[in-house]
Amino acid sequence: GAVVSQHPSWVICKSGTSVKIECRSLDFQATTMFWYRQFPKQSLMLMATSNEGSKATYEQGVEKDKFLINHASLTLSTLTVTSAHPEDSSFYICSARDSRLAGGPNTGELFFGEGSRLTVL
Amino acid sequence: GQSLEQPSEVTAVEGAIVQINCTYQTSGFYGLSWYQQHDGGAPTFLSYNALDGLEETGRFSSFLSRSDSYGYLLLQELQMKDSASYFCAVGRDDKIIFGKGTRLHILP
Repeated sequence: GAVVSQHPSWVICKSGTSVKIECRSLDFQATTMFWYRQFPKQSLMLMATSNEGSKATYEQGVEKDKFLINHASLTLSTLTVTSAHPEDSSFYICSARDSRLAGGPNTGELFFGEGSRLTVL
Repeated sequence: GQSLEQPSEVTAVEGAIVQINCTYQTSGFYGLSWYQQHDGGAPTFLSYNALDGLEETGRFSSFLSRSDSYGYLLLQELQMKDSASYFCAVGRDDKIIFGKGTRLHILP
């Protein structure tokens, strides 16, 4: 299967600082990547859809000015949590769909990065 | 909007068979997926059903009934390593939306 790499795996930061998380597709080009957030023992909540070369599409209730998403190339999307606060502490996971796979964009198979656990002190 | 309902927890015995159900309400439905997630890890794709019927992949099978907006994941010959959370997910509008997950506990 396709490989998605996410970095860093763990990050601890002080309240008020910004944190950048990178998501790379290693062996395929991902025109679309997705960013999810997951609190302990809860589901994956879609935050935004990242489209290469254009603005991200944010889900309702997600602050676009707080969670900055950039998808500058076909293999890299970044999520920057700006002015982080303790309530932003969570597990952030990126995913991508391999457009080479048959079945179109809604075939349900996403490849996930390893996730980034953010702790804001 | 969309919603997916699945049991929050299921317990089964090693070697047994367990079924995790999922009902969904969504417009523009394309198909139902299942993912496995171990504690601290990322989700991994298990199966996808676009059409009614049963899809089998080794010890895991997944079923879909579009008319009933219902599907299930069947795990056979349970092993301790199958202890994890299992999520059903629907694809629509080029996005994948996840259910709340079912935590599977396996007893020796």
